[in-house]
Amino acid sequence: QKEVEQDPGPLSVPEGAIVSLNCTYSNSAFQYFMWYRQYSRKGPELLMYTYSSGNKEDGRFTAQVDKSSKYISLFIRDSQPSDSATYLCACRNSGYSTLTFGKGTMLLVSP
Amino acid sequence: SAVISQKPSRDICQRGTSLTIQCQVDSQVTMMFWYRQQPGQSLTLIATANQGSEATYESGFVIDKFPISRPNLTFSTLTVSNMSPEDSSIYLCSAQGNSNTGELFFGEGSRLTVL
Repeated sequence: QKEVEQDPGPLSVPEGAIVSLNCTYSNSAFQYFMWYRQYSRKGPELLMYTYSSGNKEDGRFTAQVDKSSKYISLFIRDSQPSDSATYLCACRNSGYSTLTFGKGTMLLVSP
Repeated sequence: SAVISQKPSRDICQRGTSLTIQCQVDSQVTMMFWYRQQPGQSLTLIATANQGSEATYESGFVIDKFPISRPNLTFSTLTVSNMSPEDSSIYLCSAQGNSNTGELFFGEGSRLTVL
């Protein structure tokens, strides 16, 4: 079992839809959870990060972590065509450790 | 945040040759990393580039194949040696931002195609 699992998609939605992107992980020691957005032919850029369980909201984006079920989510409200990208989740232990990435989910928002 | 510049952005290489990718960060950073991103796969850490000492390689990656230099806190290079078509991939340089969260900033990547 991979440490971080993510459905590769593509996920196609119409403009204005609410999008739910999800990852599951197996390492209970993970404490930091991040979402990166990667446009085609660009490097990943950090979108949001969350420490431990709970929700974090930033504009149209909400990150949610449920450590009891080892499940992390990113919700996008009022999705826009400019949100079309690949979204990667990433997890990390506390202390010095590197990020473990999911494979990424490709999101396509049609006008 | 850190702005990371990589070059070349893309290249087409012949089997058996080597290519060096350069990474420049606009500010001094403690931690720099090199990742590989293959189609349909997650970002895979190749190594941590250590300033002034040998890089720390992840399982499955060796110095002879991927020699790394890091002469100072803003610059690093990754060489892909004796390339084969299996090395065709995107190679990404990254730098750590916040040491508490471990968040990373990435360059735009170097897309290598080996014929």
